[in-house]
Amino acid sequence: GDSVTQMEGPVTLSEEAFLTINCTYTATGYPSLFWYVQYPGEGLQLLLKATKADDKGSNKGFEATYRKETTSFHLEKGSVQVSDSAVYFCALSDRAGGTSYGKLTFGQGTILTVHP
Amino acid sequence: GAGVSQTPSNKVTEKGKYVELRCDPISGHTALYWYRQSLGQGPEFLIYFQGTGAADDSGLPNDRFFAVRPEGSVSTLKIQRTERGDSAVYLCASSSFVGTGYEQYFGPGTRLTVT
Repeated sequence: GDSVTQMEGPVTLSEEAFLTINCTYTATGYPSLFWYVQYPGEGLQLLLKATKADDKGSNKGFEATYRKETTSFHLEKGSVQVSDSAVYFCALSDRAGGTSYGKLTFGQGTILTVHP
Repeated sequence: GAGVSQTPSNKVTEKGKYVELRCDPISGHTALYWYRQSLGQGPEFLIYFQGTGAADDSGLPNDRFFAVRPEGSVSTLKIQRTERGDSAVYLCASSSFVGTGYEQYFGPGTRLTVT
């Protein structure tokens, strides 16, 4: 079945440091890929997405590129802020982006803490 | 507009009791999902509704779990004979097509504690 593996956390960084959170996936077909974020005390929010190979999703300074050859969707940010402290989840949908609804399969989450 | 809402936000129940968890999706969203998130884990899929019917219930762990969506809007997740292992945050999401694909919007969750 489909699965998502994220780098183990927690990750602790100083403000303005470079962030990478690794994500690899196993899926049949052509899934869509997502990064969700859960800020303290809040619900899951979509951060960015990519629906086909070589697409780059971006939002709030975060980026991730859909790499079919390495089955990866690593999250990056050039300069993190204290306000980026949250739990980040990589996920895939078992349907290609434009075709139909699909359930999400999530990784286990990575806790990011950014210190001033 | 209003997002996905879930009630109650917290529910504490005794082992063996019956509980109902409610989800109000975003107006107009025809697809609705339930997920379960255990502590320190990512959400796990339970069931998906397209309109009033359950299109995929493959994630329900056993027959103690059941969900309905009788009018294609509000959904209720029902758990019979609760067990301590059912303790988790139950998340609801509704979905619409945005830009290049479908996106799921999550509610704040119901934290269920079985004592």
